[in-house]
Amino acid sequence: AQTVTQSQPEMSVQEAETVTLSCTYDTSESDYYLFWYKQPPSRQMILVIRQEAYKQQNATENRFSVNFQKAAKSFSLKISDSQLGDAAMYFCAYRRYNTDKLIFGTGTRLQVFP
Amino acid sequence: GAGVSQTPSNKVTEKGKYVELRCDPISGHTALYWYRQSLGQGPEFLIYFQGTGAADDSGLPNDRFFAVRPEGSVSTLKIQRTERGDSAVYLCASSSETGGVQETQYFGPGTRLLVL
Repeated sequence: AQTVTQSQPEMSVQEAETVTLSCTYDTSESDYYLFWYKQPPSRQMILVIRQEAYKQQNATENRFSVNFQKAAKSFSLKISDSQLGDAAMYFCAYRRYNTDKLIFGTGTRLQVFP
Repeated sequence: GAGVSQTPSNKVTEKGKYVELRCDPISGHTALYWYRQSLGQGPEFLIYFQGTGAADDSGLPNDRFFAVRPEGSVSTLKIQRTERGDSAVYLCASSSETGGVQETQYFGPGTRLLVL
């Protein structure tokens, strides 16, 4: 069975600085997708960034980028120029190719200090 | 609608009671998912609908849980004989296609269920 592990329950960063959130996963599949979701206090999960496992190039979305290491089964999220609005729970998620359910990690709470 | 909506936002019930949780997906989305998020945990998959049929219900914890989507749009998650362990946030998501490269699941704000 696939599992997703987030080993950092909490992280903090100063406004305008850079922070990296860690995620590792376990799978025997070669084709899959990885995601980072943000969950603010409103509870609504918002997709931050996605990565297809067959792509070697790391995905980027504005201030958000990932470091995808397929051999190491690692998928970290880097947030540059952190803003107060980035404060939230961040969840790493895995989806096997051609299936639909997401498997989530336990989350990392990010605090941003002015 | 503009996004996935869920009602009620919060639900308090007593142990042994029956509850229904409703999800309105984004208009035109054929796929609908239910997840359960316990305190301090990530969401866990419960069931997935493609159209009116449940394509994967492997995450339903037991036969007290049941979900329907009779017209391929709105879905209702039904929990019978609720137990205190059922207390959690129940999240609904929808997507326009399934399994595809560009498939993105859009989530609603969830229903927080508290069983006393």
